[in-house]
Amino acid sequence: AQKVTQAQTEISVVEKEDVTLDCVYETRDTTYYLFWYKQPPSGELVFLIRRNSFDEQNEISGRYSWNFQKSTSSFNFTITASQVVDSAVYFCALSDSGAGSYQLTFGKGTKLSVIP
Amino acid sequence: GAVVSQHPSRVICKSGTSVKIECRSLDFQATTMFWYRQFPKQSLMLMATSNEGSKATYEQGVEKDKFLINHASLTLSTLTVTSAHPEDSSFYICSARDGQDRANGYTFGSGTRLTVV
Repeated sequence: AQKVTQAQTEISVVEKEDVTLDCVYETRDTTYYLFWYKQPPSGELVFLIRRNSFDEQNEISGRYSWNFQKSTSSFNFTITASQVVDSAVYFCALSDSGAGSYQLTFGKGTKLSVIP
Repeated sequence: GAVVSQHPSRVICKSGTSVKIECRSLDFQATTMFWYRQFPKQSLMLMATSNEGSKATYEQGVEKDKFLINHASLTLSTLTVTSAHPEDSSFYICSARDGQDRANGYTFGSGTRLTVV
């Protein structure tokens, strides 16, 4: 069965510090997709990135970067030079064929607080 | 880009009444809709999956008679919370997937915050 583990429940950093959010997943599929979403206090989910299982290249988008390691089943997310606006709950999610409808399985989320 | 419009964003209702939440895909055909519930400080839990024109598939522990899902068209799905009780107070979010794009096709609505008093 698919599973996503975000071991960090809450993280607090001081503005301008770098922070890494961990994500470990479990799946029996060879083809699957991994996602990161940001949920600010308003509640809507903001899509950040999607990575398929055949693409292990790390990705950088501005201050955001992602490290996909199939060998350790991890898909970690790093924010460089954090800002107060980065404060939110971040969810890692997995989509595979296990449930038949390719539904998303979410981790429990990591609440990031960036202190000015 | 793909947009899903979810209404209402907030609703307060009296215990025992029913509430309907709508999700519309505005610029794509949502062949599959997912409904999630999120309690405070918790993750999104999948309630049900619905495909256009067929009955929804409910997750274990979700009462199908209480949470009625209708997906009658490729652009509209509704979730009706029947005989709502205070324990149903939660944040409900829909997600639509364009059948043509499994990878990127998870477009989320903005959510509905339901408070039952």
